Amino acid sequence: NAGVTQTPKFQVLKTGQSMTLQCAQDMNHEYMSWYRQDPGMGLRLIHYSVGAGITDQGEVPNGYNVSRSTTEDFPLRLLSAAPSQTSVYFCASSTNPWATELPGAFFGQGTRLTVV
Amino acid sequence: RKEVEQDPGPFNVPEGATVAFNCTYSNSASQSFFWYRQDCRKEPKLLMSVYSSGNEDGRFTAQLNRASQYISLLIRDSKLSDSATYLCVVNLYTGGFKTIFGAGTRLFVKA
Repeated sequence: NAGVTQTPKFQVLKTGQSMTLQCAQDMNHEYMSWYRQDPGMGLRLIHYSVGAGITDQGEVPNGYNVSRSTTEDFPLRLLSAAPSQTSVYFCASSTNPWATELPGAFFGQGTRLTVV
Repeated sequence: RKEVEQDPGPFNVPEGATVAFNCTYSNSASQSFFWYRQDCRKEPKLLMSVYSSGNEDGRFTAQLNRASQYISLLIRDSKLSDSATYLCVVNLYTGGFKTIFGAGTRLFVKA
C-alpha cells in the first residue's frame, strides 16, 4: 500500500519554465489537495478536489493549475515558474473535505522546488 | 493577526522533561482541532485530535479551551525521538471547508 506518492522529490527550475508535480494515491480517497509550506508559515492550500472532474481554488492559487481526471491522480502545474514559488509542496488525500479529519489526511513526502 | 498562532520556539529540553505547547485560533467558527508532527524535511503526520474534554495518548495530552480559543499539547517524559516540529491545525466551515495550519513549534530534546 503506497499511500500518497509525489514526484519528483526535488526540482530546480529557471524563471519562466513550466512543470508538473505529480501526485497519486491508491486509497480511493475522494478528497485531494495541494499545499505549499514556506519558512515561518503554516501549510497553505493551493488547490483542492472533492472528486474526479471537480477542482477548486484554495488560499494561494495564482500561478498554479490542477486537474482531476481520475480518482487516483491530482497533478499540479506551474504555468510560468517564478522565484516566489520556491517552496516545499505537499499533496494530501483524505476521505473527507477537511483534509485533517480522522482517519486523517495522508500526505505525500513533498517536493522541494527551487526557482532561480 | 494570523488565524492560528503558535510560539515558533525552539524549545530545548532535556530527556525526561515535561514540555507544553500552546496554540491560539481566532475564528470562533472553528470546529475541530488537531496536532500534527513534522520531522525535519518530512511530511506532516497526524499526532492526535483535540477534544474539549481533553484526551491522552500515552505521554501526550491534548486540551481544547473553546472559551479562550486555545489548544495545548503536553508531552511528558520527553524522548530524543520527540524532537520535531508540532503543528496546530484547525478545521472550520465558513461557507466552505477550510483547514488552517499553524506555522509550528520546534522541539529539540537533548540527552
